[in-house]
Amino acid sequence: EVQLVESGGGLVQPGGSLRLSCAASGFTFSSYWMQWVRQAPGKGLVWVSRIKSDESTASYADSVKGRFTISRDNAKDTLYLQMNSLRAEDTAVYYCAREGYSSGWYEIDSWGQGTLVTVSS
Amino acid sequence: DIQMTQSPSSLSASVGDRVTITCRASQSISSYLNWYQQKPGKAPKVLIYAASSLQSGVPSRFSGSGSGADFTLTISSLQPEDFATYYCQQSYGTTRTFGGGTKVEIK
Repeated sequence: EVQLVESGGGLVQPGGSLRLSCAASGFTFSSYWMQWVRQAPGKGLVWVSRIKSDESTASYADSVKGRFTISRDNAKDTLYLQMNSLRAEDTAVYYCAREGYSSGWYEIDSWGQGTLVTVSS
Repeated sequence: DIQMTQSPSSLSASVGDRVTITCRASQSISSYLNWYQQKPGKAPKVLIYAASSLQSGVPSRFSGSGSGADFTLTISSLQPEDFATYYCQQSYGTTRTFGGGTKVEIK
């Protein structure tokens, strides 16, 4: 069974930093693209970042570019999101997600339970 | 970046109704369009990928259509468990974008 378990969320002051982790199990982690998706309280889903299976390619939403860094450790089956210069508008539940690949098509086929990040003084 | 616009943002419907949700991309994305369902307090789950392919295990009352920039999710006969929020997401190129969501409520 595919499992994605996020950790590292919490309360941080504006301008601060936080590192999220996502422990993967039940599948060959090193074979999949992975994503971070966030959802502010009562709001919609927002795509944050994406990283290729071998870490050679990463992309970001404009709202986090230059402040957030996605990375992975395939030896530890773990995905990370380093978040710097945090703002109040970064407050959200952050989901780790696996991107499945079917005959040339990509879709998110597994999600973690999410970890809440609150940016407030 | 590609922008995704969903409509309506919410709708009220009764059990048994046919429901249609639309999603428009700011540029052509071929058929790189997915639909997700999210229930309160839960992670989303994929319903449709590649614009019209039904994910394994998803009931056949869900269907997707469209290509280029205009897409539709249809629920042929709304069931009590279908009351939820639905999101489209483009998977064209290196970045991803979600639509704003459509909340389907009980009339």
